[in-house]
Amino acid sequence: AQRVTQPEKLLSVFKGAPVELKCNYSYSGSPELFWYVQYSRQRLQLLLRHISRESIKGFTADLNKGETSFHLKKPFAQEEDSAMYYCALKTGANNLFFGTGTRLTVIP
Amino acid sequence: GAVVSQHPSRVICKSGTSVKIECRSLDFQATTMFWYRQFPKKSLMLMATSNEGSKATYEQGVEKDKFLINHASLTLSTLTVTSAHPEDSSFYICSARDPRGPPDTQYFGPGTRLTVL
Repeated sequence: AQRVTQPEKLLSVFKGAPVELKCNYSYSGSPELFWYVQYSRQRLQLLLRHISRESIKGFTADLNKGETSFHLKKPFAQEEDSAMYYCALKTGANNLFFGTGTRLTVIP
Repeated sequence: GAVVSQHPSRVICKSGTSVKIECRSLDFQATTMFWYRQFPKKSLMLMATSNEGSKATYEQGVEKDKFLINHASLTLSTLTVTSAHPEDSSFYICSARDPRGPPDTQYFGPGTRLTVL
């Protein structure tokens, strides 16, 4: 069975400090992973997908199949990065399996 | 970008009544929509995949007679919680795939908070 683990429910960092939100997965198939973000009073939205190997808003995430991880990183956190972050695993044709989320707070 | 709306944003109902939640894709046609449920301090749980013009596909453990899904048009899917009970109180979120965009991207609605008294 699939599993997505985000071990930190809450994470606080100071502005300008590096930030890493952890995500580990368990899946028997070929994994496709995503990070979704929900800013205060806004809906959930896609931040980035591992296939694209893109950097969005300064965030990057590398799929490490050996460690079954897909950690989200940013070298210098900004206040506007404060939000709820969800790691998601695509299972089947359409389904997304979400982790429990990490609330990031960037302290000014 | 693609926009998905939900109505109502919150609803309070008495136990035993039925509640309908609408999910609309505002600027695109969605052949596939998804319904999620979010428990407090827990993750989003996929309830069902709604396919336009055909029956919804329910996830294991989700009662299809309890949570009726209708996807009668390319821009509207509805979730009806039948004979609601307090344990059905939750945050229900829909999402939709925009066929014009990346195949893996889902666009989420703002959610509906259901409280059953």
